[in-house]
Amino acid sequence: NAGVTQTPKFRILKIGQSMTLQCAQDMNHNYMYWYRQDPGMGLKLIYYSVGAGITDKGEVPNGYNVSRSTTEDFPLRLELAAPSQTSVYFCASTFDRNTEAFFGQGTRLTVV
Amino acid sequence: AQKVTQAQTEISVVEKEDVTLDCVYETRDTTYYLFWYKQPPSGELVFLIRRNSFDEQNEISGRYSWNFQKSTSSFNFTITASQVVDSAVYFCALSEGGNTGTASKLTFGTGTRLQVTL
Repeated sequence: NAGVTQTPKFRILKIGQSMTLQCAQDMNHNYMYWYRQDPGMGLKLIYYSVGAGITDKGEVPNGYNVSRSTTEDFPLRLELAAPSQTSVYFCASTFDRNTEAFFGQGTRLTVV
Repeated sequence: AQKVTQAQTEISVVEKEDVTLDCVYETRDTTYYLFWYKQPPSGELVFLIRRNSFDEQNEISGRYSWNFQKSTSSFNFTITASQVVDSAVYFCALSEGGNTGTASKLTFGTGTRLQVTL
């Protein structure tokens, strides 16, 4: 019973590099989310999706892109990494609106 | 805009003490949902409870209890007889009702770090 799986768990990027954070869920959830957690702060929503082919911006979308080609996968793309994107990133999914969110283990990203 | 305030940044207690974590929220919606999540040192987020705005009954689950008061916009969390394994960061979160086809976007508080020592 995998739930929400994120890869990689850790990554160090140089300024200007690009990368994709992978997220997959096996619960057939329509709703998926990307959050970032900065030290001492709560989680902030980056992007979300209500189903395959449908994505929308959250609170802090600048510098990120997403796609949702399948129900299972929701990758997050960083095009030109900046130090301000140093954070822990969490992917989550929900069965329906306002139901409990299942979170991945997180990806700790450092941009130097 | 919705907002969640957890004024207690860090709390330290000795094992077996009771501890209450405060959560105050702001929203203009009449339909909304409140959540508590636990983030242990390992870093994952663990769901603890969900409460909708129409259900003000308090809830108890083992050593955990939650006190929801709409009159004061608060959703406080009490751990009775705390244990070392309760050491974690606890987040309160809010999502507004919204419409079908839109996502429920969680607004998180900044979290309360609970340290339980022997």
